[in-house]
Parts: sequence; structure tokens; C-alpha cells
Amino acid sequence: DAGVIQSPRHEVTEMGQEVTLRCKPISGHDYLFWYRQTMMRGLELLIYFNNNVPIDDSGMPEDRFSAKMPNASFSTLKIQPSEPRDSAVYFCASSLPYNSPLHFGNGTRLTVT
Amino acid sequence: AQSVTQLGSHVSVSEGALVLLRCNYSSSVPPYLFWYVQYPNQGLQLLLKYTSAATLVKGINGFEAEFKKSETSFHLTKPSAHMSDAAEYFCAVSDQAAGNKLTFGGGTRVLVKP
Repeated sequence: DAGVIQSPRHEVTEMGQEVTLRCKPISGHDYLFWYRQTMMRGLELLIYFNNNVPIDDSGMPEDRFSAKMPNASFSTLKIQPSEPRDSAVYFCASSLPYNSPLHFGNGTRLTVT
Repeated sequence: AQSVTQLGSHVSVSEGALVLLRCNYSSSVPPYLFWYVQYPNQGLQLLLKYTSAATLVKGINGFEAEFKKSETSFHLTKPSAHMSDAAEYFCAVSDQAAGNKLTFGGGTRVLVKP
């Protein structure tokens, strides 16, 4: 079991550029989550999927953010255009159903200058 | 709606001393409760979880937590701190209505002094 794999680990970009974060969940996990972590706001749930279908995207900050899960083994979180206030660590997590624990990736540290 | 409050954003303990991290939750239905640990530059790792089987839950690395419904608490303890326990700890809650959606507390950073 390779765990949840996120790429890239670090991303530095300029304001206005498009950023795409990638996640490969643990095989067999039905749920996939995207969280954002900042000093000011802590861990925030952005969106989560069940069987590749978005269930709750109420945490997505604004229309600049979008997430997709085209198949059970891949998800993306896209920010277009990026802004300095998007700088944060973005975590992907996956889990089995029935309130099973989440398994987190090591995160992508995004810096927007 | 669920919520979690962790008292104390920073805790400093001496090596060998008791570690006590406080967590209070709010949930309209019986909750599922979790403690996670985050080491620098890493994702969160599960320490333990409560799912109503027993009120005292034992986790990894010598940690345990006790569910107290009357106090809506789920405090985390370890009898003797080790230098390797220095990390940030998060309490989280979910319930059957929320599916697998977790709500996290603000986290408590633990510093262990030699």
C-alpha cells in the first residue's frame, strides 16, 4: 500500500497563473477529500467525492477553484487564476465508507507570489 | 452541525511528564471521534478513533483517549512524554449524517522539553 500520493510536493507560481494539484487515492477507497491548511484558518474541507461523484463542495472558496475526479484513481484540484491568498498546504485524503478513518497524503505546499 | 474545540493551541511538557490534550465536541447525533497527529512537513496520521464500542480508546505510540458523553469531551493523554511526541495534534468529529466528512479542531502543538 503506497498510501495517498500527491503531486507536486511544492509549487511556486505567480499571481494569475493556473495551478493544478494532483492526487492518487488508496486503491479501493470510495471517498476522496481535499483539505486546505493555513495558520489562520486551520484545516478546511474544500470538497469531497464518493465513488467519483462530488458530494459536498460548499467549502470551495470561490469559482476560481474547481475539482474533478475522472476515475477512481485520480483527482485534481485546479485554481485559475491563482492569488497570493491561496498560498497554503493542500491535502488530499481518502477513506473507506462508514466513518472509516481518513488517510492523508503528504500535501502540496502552494506559494503564490 | 458538528464542531470541535481544542483548548490550548500550544502545550509544553517535560520529557517523562503527562501529556493531556483537551477536546470538546458538539454533535446532534452520536459522534465518531478521532485524534490525528501531524509531524512537520507531513500529512495527518490517525492516532485513535472512537466509534461507541468502548469509552476508553487506546491508540498508537502509547496514547489513549476517553469519551465522556456528559462532558462532550474526548481528551487525549499519554502518561510519559517522549521527545518524538513533539508534533501537532488534531481532534476531529463526524457522524452518520455527515457520512465520512470530518470536522477538525484548530490543533494543539506539543513541545517536549528535555
